Amino acid sequence: EAGVAQSPRYKIIEKRQSVAFWCNPISGHATLYWYQQILGQGPKLLIQFQNNGVVDDSQLPKDRFSAERLKGVDSTLKIQPAKLEDSAVYLCASSIQGNQPQHFGDGTRLSIL
Amino acid sequence: AQSVSQHNHHVILSEAASLELGCNYSYGGTVNLFWYVQYPGQHLQLLLKYFSGDPLVKGIKGFEAEFIKSKFSFNLRKPSVQWSDTAEYFCAVLDFSGNTGKLIFGQGTTLQVKP
Repeated sequence: EAGVAQSPRYKIIEKRQSVAFWCNPISGHATLYWYQQILGQGPKLLIQFQNNGVVDDSQLPKDRFSAERLKGVDSTLKIQPAKLEDSAVYLCASSIQGNQPQHFGDGTRLSIL
Repeated sequence: AQSVSQHNHHVILSEAASLELGCNYSYGGTVNLFWYVQYPGQHLQLLLKYFSGDPLVKGIKGFEAEFIKSKFSFNLRKPSVQWSDTAEYFCAVLDFSGNTGKLIFGQGTTLQVKP
């Protein structure tokens, strides 16, 4: 079974620039998650999709972060404009349904200069 | 809201030593508990999970964890560690306090095994 695919693996941008991350979940997984993992901390959920609908975005900084999963399969997460504190690894995960174990991608390491 | 605390931030052991990593969550009720591992340069992988039933859960690579409801704990154990167990370990709980389950992670424990 192919795993969760994410791209790019690394991204370096200057503050106030925009950036987008892409995620393709495991085939058949209805639930997709985006996490932010700051160095030295555990992953923190940003947004959770069930198919193409948002079920939890309570911790997403909506003034600068946005995410979509238009066709219920792959997803993009965007930051516009980026701040220094956004430097982190952004992880995508998927599960068959919301209460089942999540499978994680390799993540995108974002550095803000 | 649920929170998860991992007691040890950095653990250094010699090969063949026994391992126990502490994990506590903040409140009771129905809980689904997980341990994830992240080997250097790799993605997070599920080590083991507890949903219900036998509180002693066995996972991959000889790891096990014990759910103790009265202590709100889910500690990870391995009788004899190997150099290849060097990794970061995350405890997580599925929080059902909202409309849907949300995975809450601890801050992680870095395990370094010396050959």
